[in-house]
Amino acid sequence: KQEVTQIPAALSVPEGENLVLNCSFTDSAIYNLQWFRQDPGKGLTSLLLIQSSQREQTSGRLNASLDKSSGRSTLYIAASQPGDSATYLCAVRSRVTGKLIFGQGTTLQVKP
Amino acid sequence: DTEVTQTPKHLVMGMTNKKSLKCEQHMGHRAMYWYKQKAKKPPELMFVYSYEKLSINESVPSRFSPECPNSSLLNLHLHALQPEDSALYLCASSQVGQGLEAFFGQGTRLTVV
Repeated sequence: KQEVTQIPAALSVPEGENLVLNCSFTDSAIYNLQWFRQDPGKGLTSLLLIQSSQREQTSGRLNASLDKSSGRSTLYIAASQPGDSATYLCAVRSRVTGKLIFGQGTTLQVKP
Repeated sequence: DTEVTQTPKHLVMGMTNKKSLKCEQHMGHRAMYWYKQKAKKPPELMFVYSYEKLSINESVPSRFSPECPNSSLLNLHLHALQPEDSALYLCASSQVGQGLEAFFGQGTRLTVV
């Protein structure tokens, strides 16, 4: 059974820091991995999608990497800003079930 | 346009009421999903529609009844809910097929009293 784990569960950093969020998954049989952002009480905003054949994707200050063989992905946020404060969720789409399986999320606080 | 629109944003209903949640997308996606999210937890899959047909029901109680009237619309009919059903209900859509990006709506915050 696919399990997705995100470390740390919570993170607080001063503005301007570069930071890394981690995501690990137990089964490498995936179609893709997607990183989402969720503000309190709101829906999910898709940040980056990495296909299983890809190693990384970039969008602005965000860079996501994928190492399928080791079951790991990282989301790198450069020059963090208070507006980046949110919960970040990673999810893998399983090749076995076709379902999107979520991690528990990392709640990020960027202090001015 | 990469938007999934959900209405209403907030809903308070009694345990004997009948209400419906609505979801709409105009991206031409043929897969649509309902998720339930409790506070500080990840979304949990409830239902999947593929080409307007129900393809996955994650053993959801019958007090939740999904409907996909056409390729752009998805409804979730609610009847005789319990207070523990209070949650954020999220709709999502994607193309059908492998490895395709999922887009989520802003959710409906449901409170059952």
